Amino acid sequence: GAGVSQSPSNKVTEKGKDVELRCDPISGHTALYWYRQRLGQGLEFLIYFQGNSAPDKSGLPSDRFSAERTGESVSTLTIQRTQQEDSAVYLCASSSGRYNEQFFGPGTRLTVL
Amino acid sequence: DQQVKQNSPSLSVQEGRISILNCDYTNSMFDYFLWYKKYPAEGPTFLISISSIKDKNEDGRFTVFLNKSAKHLSLHIVPSQPGDSAVYFCAARNSGGSNYKLTFGKGTLLTVNP
Repeated sequence: GAGVSQSPSNKVTEKGKDVELRCDPISGHTALYWYRQRLGQGLEFLIYFQGNSAPDKSGLPSDRFSAERTGESVSTLTIQRTQQEDSAVYLCASSSGRYNEQFFGPGTRLTVL
Repeated sequence: DQQVKQNSPSLSVQEGRISILNCDYTNSMFDYFLWYKKYPAEGPTFLISISSIKDKNEDGRFTVFLNKSAKHLSLHIVPSQPGDSAVYFCAARNSGGSNYKLTFGKGTLLTVNP
């Protein structure tokens, strides 16, 4: 498809387990972003990738969170030892440049029991 | 500390009338503002934006107004249509080095009644 895709769409996990979320950006988009939206809140910036530059990880809430991206392709967001407060919708976006419009995927709804 | 505030969690209007969604911000470094629209189970989609050098930007039925001195912006939709029913997020970007980061408000759920 032409848009940003994310998988899985829903994930239910037990507290303490690790989860991996995947984002496929729009082909050719050099910039990729991860956001989190907790219930009743706005989107929170987590991490930004731009080409082969070092990512901006300043929004990651703890060292349990990490993300990788190889070149300008797929990105994975990993949450280790999940906690209940990690329950949220995790949204990925991509853009053709840092100043350009961000196109969002449908998100992964993570529920930590 | 919320830097972008949407104080109305919901708004209900009649089809054909004007919808006005409001947004306030506190960070004077913000110089570019965006509105996103989100339907359930979908990601937000870009709607309209405005640079801080302007006070108005119009695109069809959508107009965004910016009042820099009041640190306030609003989105006007006229005439409102039932298909406009969605959550609307205000977002802002600053002029500093991390100007790719968007700071979002909590959103306003707009319901347009037929």
